[in-house]
Amino acid sequence: QVQLQESGPGLVKPSETLSLTCSVSGGSISSYYWSWIRQPPGKGLEWIGYIYSSGTTNYNPSLKSRVTISVDTSKNQVSLKVSSVTAADTAVYYCAKAGDYYYMDVWGKGTTVTVSS
Amino acid sequence: DIQMTQSPSSLSASVGDRVAITCRASQSISTYLNWYQHKPGKAPKLLIYAASSLQSGVPSRFSGSGSGTDFTLTISSLQPEDFAAYFCQQSYSTPFTFGPGTTVDIK
Repeated sequence: QVQLQESGPGLVKPSETLSLTCSVSGGSISSYYWSWIRQPPGKGLEWIGYIYSSGTTNYNPSLKSRVTISVDTSKNQVSLKVSSVTAADTAVYYCAKAGDYYYMDVWGKGTTVTVSS
Repeated sequence: DIQMTQSPSSLSASVGDRVAITCRASQSISTYLNWYQHKPGKAPKLLIYAASSLQSGVPSRFSGSGSGTDFTLTISSLQPEDFAAYFCQQSYSTPFTFGPGTTVDIK
């Protein structure tokens, strides 16, 4: 079965770019939507955006100006970049797989990112 | 954006209890409503999709109902492994949004 593993730096400095990778194992990236979701400490879940395997993207307007999601089908990886980060971007970041009806049937365990100097 | 609310925010229950969690959308989302279970340090787990469809491998004690703006997740007989957080999510339109969650703990 498909498994997802998020990875990346746990600490990012303010104003820098946060970069995370979601490695997909046990299945193909093709024909699915791949979302990034985050949860700041003590707060609810926030959908960041998704990418379809063809490369089509859809971002949350609240983050759209700072977010880029990309896919590397040869490596079976999905990437997230958030630019100009502040303390408000401190969160657990999850990647998740979804099908045609956009329910997220597989999630990674998440990776914690702290924005601090 | 479609706002999602849940009630209660937390509940205490005993093994064997019947538990119901409600989720409300700020506008009609048809049946584009999904329920997840989340335990600390683990990946969230899809329980119910499209309001009432049980995800493969999920025990039948979990069920979902509702359409439009009001939805319910029911656990018919709470088991020890069910103590966790539960949250709803609308997939009707982007940006996808989540409910704030309901924590189910041991009474």
